Amino acid sequence: EVQLVESGGGSVEPGGSLRLSCAASGFIFSNAYMNWVRQAPGKGLEWVGRIKSKPDGETIDYAAPVKGRFSISRDDSKNTVYLQMNSLKTEDTAVYYCTTCGGDCYSNYWGQGTLVIVSS
Amino acid sequence: AIRMTQSPSSLSASTGDRVTITCRASQDITTYLAWYQQKPGKAPKFLIYAASTLQSGVPSRFSGSGSGTDFTLTISCLQSEDFANYYCQQYYNYPFTFGGGTKVEIK
Repeated sequence: EVQLVESGGGSVEPGGSLRLSCAASGFIFSNAYMNWVRQAPGKGLEWVGRIKSKPDGETIDYAAPVKGRFSISRDDSKNTVYLQMNSLKTEDTAVYYCTTCGGDCYSNYWGQGTLVIVSS
Repeated sequence: AIRMTQSPSSLSASTGDRVTITCRASQDITTYLAWYQQKPGKAPKFLIYAASTLQSGVPSRFSGSGSGTDFTLTISCLQSEDFANYYCQQYYNYPFTFGGGTKVEIK
C-alpha cells in the first residue's frame, strides 16, 4: 500500500525558512517522480514543483511563484522527498501535499498534508 | 502557463441527478487531463487520467471525456458521498495547472 507522510509544517515569520519532508513507502521510491502541491486556506489546488528520479537526472521544475525561493530534493536511501522553503511570504500559507507521479505525472497518490502558516 | 477554467464554480444537485462539470484549457493539451475529488479537511482523491480513464476503484458512475481544450467530468447518478469539490489539472507541460474547482452541493 502506498503511503506518503508529510511533516515539518508549522508557523514561521515572513522572510523565514522551513523544510518539509515527505516519507514514502509501499512502492519503489528511487524510480518515482514526486510532486509538491499546495492549497491555501479556502482556496484551490496549486502545483508547486516536481522532481524526477535519479536515473532520469533528478530534473526539477517549479511553479513561477516559488521559483528561486523553494527547492525540492530527494534522498532515495531514506525514501524521502524534501521541500526547502526560503524567503517565505504570507501568501505561502497553505497545506502542502506531496504526491506521486503516475503515468505522465498526474498525482495518483497523496499524503495527508502539512500546514504551513506564514505570519508575523 | 496554461490556464484551466472550470465551470460552474458551484452547483446544487440532488441524489440521483446527473451532473456535468466542464474544464477548458487555454491551449491544446490533447488528453493530458486529470480529475480529482476533495472532501472538506481531506487530501484530494485521484479519479481520472488521460481525460477519460478511470483510476482503479473509482465507481463507474464517474466518467470523463474531451480532448484538445474542452473536457467534461460527468457523474451519472449522484450519490451522497459524491458531494465534494472537484478539480481538473493539465499535465501536458510545466508548470502543471489546476482549474479553480467546482463545489457540488446538496440541493
